[in-house]
Amino acid sequence: EPEVTQTPSHQVTQMGQEVILRCVPISNHLYFYWYRQILGQKVEFLVSFYNNEISEKSEIFDDQFSVERPDGSNFTLKIRSTKLEDSAMYFCASSDGLITGELFFGEGSRLTVL
Amino acid sequence: QQQVKQSPQSLIVQKGGISIINCAYENTAFDYFPWYQQFPGKGPALLIAIRPDVSEKKEGRFTISFNKSAKQFSLHIMDSQPGDSATYFCAAAHGGSQGNLIFGKGTKLSVKP
Repeated sequence: EPEVTQTPSHQVTQMGQEVILRCVPISNHLYFYWYRQILGQKVEFLVSFYNNEISEKSEIFDDQFSVERPDGSNFTLKIRSTKLEDSAMYFCASSDGLITGELFFGEGSRLTVL
Repeated sequence: QQQVKQSPQSLIVQKGGISIINCAYENTAFDYFPWYQQFPGKGPALLIAIRPDVSEKKEGRFTISFNKSAKQFSLHIMDSQPGDSATYFCAAAHGGSQGNLIFGKGTKLSVKP
């Protein structure tokens, strides 16, 4: 069964450092997303990406964040200068866009900022 | 307006019992209501979903009941099993916001053998 894969599974970084989280969406999907989940809290939308551009972003997704699809398979989330409050599980998701809300999530990348 | 309120926060049910999780929303533009199941260390996985043109949808032991006038929807898990122990999130989305799911805070379900 096709799945969304994410790397790394866990990253520890110092405050102020840049972090790149990587995702390989399901191959025939056209829409890509990043969500985050702070420990014990709800899953929150960060950004959606379609046709090589951001289609929607939340207020969480400020100038410190950027997304990119550098090739035909990877989808990345970059945090330019990490803050303590960026510590969370970051989930990548993808969809074929045929059914609103039917997203397929990866297992997540846990980011710990010290 | 954009919130989805979910209750209870946690739920303990005996094996074979019925688990019921409730959600409420305000934004009448929402037109898609999925439920996601999350096991520890895993990402959320779509369990079942409903659109507001039907009042109930059943898939195996899982049923969504939808009350459009009350702006509420609920998940019923019949014959709950220990393997159902997980965190359940309700969510809402509307067609104009592809993939921007508004999640509830989650319900941690424990099914005791």
